[in-house]
Amino acid sequence: ILNVEQSPQSLHVQEGDSTNFTCSFPSSNFYALHWYRWETAKSPEALFVMTLNGDEKKKGRISATLNTKEGYSYLYIKGSQPEDSATYLCAFPPANYGGSQGNLIFGKGTKLSVKP
Amino acid sequence: GAGVSQSPRYKVAKRGQDVALRCDPISGHVSLFWYQQALGQGPEFLTYFQNEAQLDKSGLPSDRFFAERPEGSVSTLKIQRTQQEDSAVYLCASSPRLAGEKETQYFGPGTRLLVL
Repeated sequence: ILNVEQSPQSLHVQEGDSTNFTCSFPSSNFYALHWYRWETAKSPEALFVMTLNGDEKKKGRISATLNTKEGYSYLYIKGSQPEDSATYLCAFPPANYGGSQGNLIFGKGTKLSVKP
Repeated sequence: GAGVSQSPRYKVAKRGQDVALRCDPISGHVSLFWYQQALGQGPEFLTYFQNEAQLDKSGLPSDRFFAERPEGSVSTLKIQRTQQEDSAVYLCASSPRLAGEKETQYFGPGTRLLVL
């Protein structure tokens, strides 16, 4: 059974703090890792698709790194703002799907709350 | 442009009722996915369409769940004889090309179903 684990489950920070959280996934037969941000009452929004070991991607104050050999990805937020409050999900396409239809296995997410 | 839309946004059903959840994907998107997110869990895959063809329905939890996309655009997820364990957020996602591990999926805001 393929599992994607995210930690911590929730995080409370003050505005201006930098923060990071972790996504762990099976390291064998790696294809890609997806990060999404899901604000309450909105649609999950794609942040990054990471494919190569050592990848580092950046979008504004948010960046992510990838280690496929040990099976983890970190998401960093620099100088958190209240509008960063959301659940951050990582997702992994099942490696044993053969010609994969591209469905994703999601972690439970990290819920970030940023206090002004 | 318009994103993925879903309706209704909220649905309360009595146990045993049938419900129908609608998804309008981004125009021209080939691939369409349905996911179910139970409370405290990450989204879980239900089914996948490539145009009008349902290529994978392995995630549908029982034969009470049925999905269709007859013209390759709008999709409907139908749940017959709803049970309390069907209470969840149902997410629809689409992507522009044939599904693949590295393809971004664009999500709708979900339908929150509560079965009493």
